[in-house]
Amino acid sequence: GAGVSQSPRYKVAKRGQDVALRCDPISGHVSLFWYQQALGQGPEFLTYFQNEAQLDKSGLPSDRFFAERPEGSVSTLKIQRTQQEDSAVYLCASSSARAGGNSPLHFGNGTRLTVT
Amino acid sequence: GQQVMQIPQYQHVQEGEDFTTYCNSSTTLSNIQWYKQRPGGHPVFLIQLVKSGEVKKQKRLTFQFGEAKKNSSLHITATQTTDVGTYFCAGLKWVGSQGNLIFGKGTKLSVKP
Repeated sequence: GAGVSQSPRYKVAKRGQDVALRCDPISGHVSLFWYQQALGQGPEFLTYFQNEAQLDKSGLPSDRFFAERPEGSVSTLKIQRTQQEDSAVYLCASSSARAGGNSPLHFGNGTRLTVT
Repeated sequence: GQQVMQIPQYQHVQEGEDFTTYCNSSTTLSNIQWYKQRPGGHPVFLIQLVKSGEVKKQKRLTFQFGEAKKNSSLHITATQTTDVGTYFCAGLKWVGSQGNLIFGKGTKLSVKP
């Protein structure tokens, strides 16, 4: 596609529900990143994929967060048993570089998650 | 938590005034990238600096990377209302063979016409 596509654009979940956020990166981009952006803050790194391999998941805040990219293209970020502190915008970004951060990141529009 | 510090957090200027935001890291960065995020939008890449002491210009925007590769700045000359948004720096730090972009908290710029 022309850009990074994320869905849904907005998600409201009741505390304790599981959610799944989808990211469709730019075609051919090797690197894929997930960031969490709280209101008024900068994007905070969650996890990084190179093709289907999850090379860095050091930013995932708890074991309730899980990400996958099974075929090296579309990625899903899953949050189990959502908590209010999970409310944020979840940004996905892709890059053509093999080494994360060595070339520009192309961000999607994000999924705004609100946990009530 | 954030390891790249950015100041100021907010800046309000009159249209036509200049604007500068500063980015500092306690450790050496491999490169630094700058992004702009308009209200309600997503971060959009502006530029990447790699070399020590590097200076790059884009029209009214001037980007600098410090000699020690620990700090950077973005300067906008004669701001316009279209410059409104939040400007983020992002520093590349290597952990083993993996690079990780660490974003600052951003400087939110408002421009009064």
